[in-house]
This record gives sequence, C-alpha cells and structure tokens, in this order.
Amino acid sequence: NAGVTQTPKFQVLKTGQSMTLQCAQDMNHEYMSWYRQDPGMGLRLIHYSVGAGITDQGEVPNGYNVSRSTTEDFPLRLLSAAPSQTSVYFCASTVMGLAGAGGAGELFFGEGSRLTVL
Amino acid sequence: EDQVTQSPEALRLQEGESSSLNCSYTVSGLRGLFWYRQDPGKGPEFLFTLYSAGEEKEKERLKATLTKKESFLHITAPKPEDSATYLCAVTTRPIYNQGGKLIFGQGTELSVKP
Repeated sequence: NAGVTQTPKFQVLKTGQSMTLQCAQDMNHEYMSWYRQDPGMGLRLIHYSVGAGITDQGEVPNGYNVSRSTTEDFPLRLLSAAPSQTSVYFCASTVMGLAGAGGAGELFFGEGSRLTVL
Repeated sequence: EDQVTQSPEALRLQEGESSSLNCSYTVSGLRGLFWYRQDPGKGPEFLFTLYSAGEEKEKERLKATLTKKESFLHITAPKPEDSATYLCAVTTRPIYNQGGKLIFGQGTELSVKP
C-alpha cells in the first residue's frame, strides 16, 4: 500500500496564480482532510470530506476549494494564490468510527506539499 | 476557546537521559488526546490515543499518560533515532461530525545526541 500520496512535493507560485494540490489514498478511507502547518501555529484544518460528494469547511477555509468525486482522491485548489498561503500542506485520511470515543483522531498523513507564494 | 499548549518548545538530551514532554489542554469536553511524531520533511505519524484521566499507553521507550488537564510523553533512555518533533492533539467531538477537528499543539522538537 502506498498510503496517502501528495503531489507536488514543492511548488513556487506567483501572487494571483492558481494551482491544485493532489491527494490520493489507497486505504479506502471515508474521511479525508487538508491541513496547513505554519511555524508557531501548529497544524490547522482547511477542509475535510466524509465521503464522495460530501465536503465541509474547517478552521481556515478562505482562499481554498475542495471537491471529492471519488473515495480515493481529494484535491485542494488555490484559486488566487497569496503570500499568506505560503505553508506546508498535509493531506490526511482515516476510517470513520475508528478508535471509538476518540472519534477517529488517528490520522494517516501524507508527506506534505511545500508551497511558496511570491 | 479550545487550546493545546506544548512545552518545552525544544529539548536536547544526551543518549540515555530520560525526560518528559508536556501537553496541557483547555477544552470543553475532551473526547480523545493523541500523540504524533513528525520527522523533518515528513508528515506526522500516529503514536498513541488516550481517552480518560489515568490512562497510560506504552510503545518501546515512549509512555504517554493523561490527567484531567495535561498529558505527558515520557521518554526512557532515549536514542538518537528518537529525535523528532512530537505533536499533541485533542478532539472534543468526532472529527467527522460537523465542526469536529483535531486541535494541535505547536510541538516539542526533541534532539537526542549520542
């Protein structure tokens, strides 16, 4: 199993450009999510999905779009990149209902996509 | 506001020197507390889940404990390969419910020198 695969690993954009970060998982996980990691801020949830066709906003959704057409894929789109979106982006997935009362906090993370917006 | 604070920000140990990392939390109803390990340039890797005060989990040289206000990650006789950033996170509701999410601390960067 490849687990959670993210592409690209590195990307440099100019302000105003758009791009899509790809995320694919081969574990048949219903739950998929995108986090961003910034120094001193910790990991913050951008968007998440509980199944194909179902997405919802997380903590910091502005400037990002997502869609979920299949169980395996959950792309993150930056519509008009801004320097504030310079960050490391992680895709994570899990089985819903895992770990009982913990509410599936046992996430499987990809290796990250490092984005720089100039 | 729900909050997770980890201390220290960085910790340097000699190989074999045991120590503890702290994760204190202020949340409205803890459902679960999670420890992750993150190596440089990699994504976080799940280590432990703790659900209630008094619970303990162990894995090799690591032991995680939970009280009503904080969790500790005890590292016994660490080795250089234990060097990583350790992240703590909590949930107050299932993450797949609307509004559910993992609330992460900022992490403790552990360095173990031979």
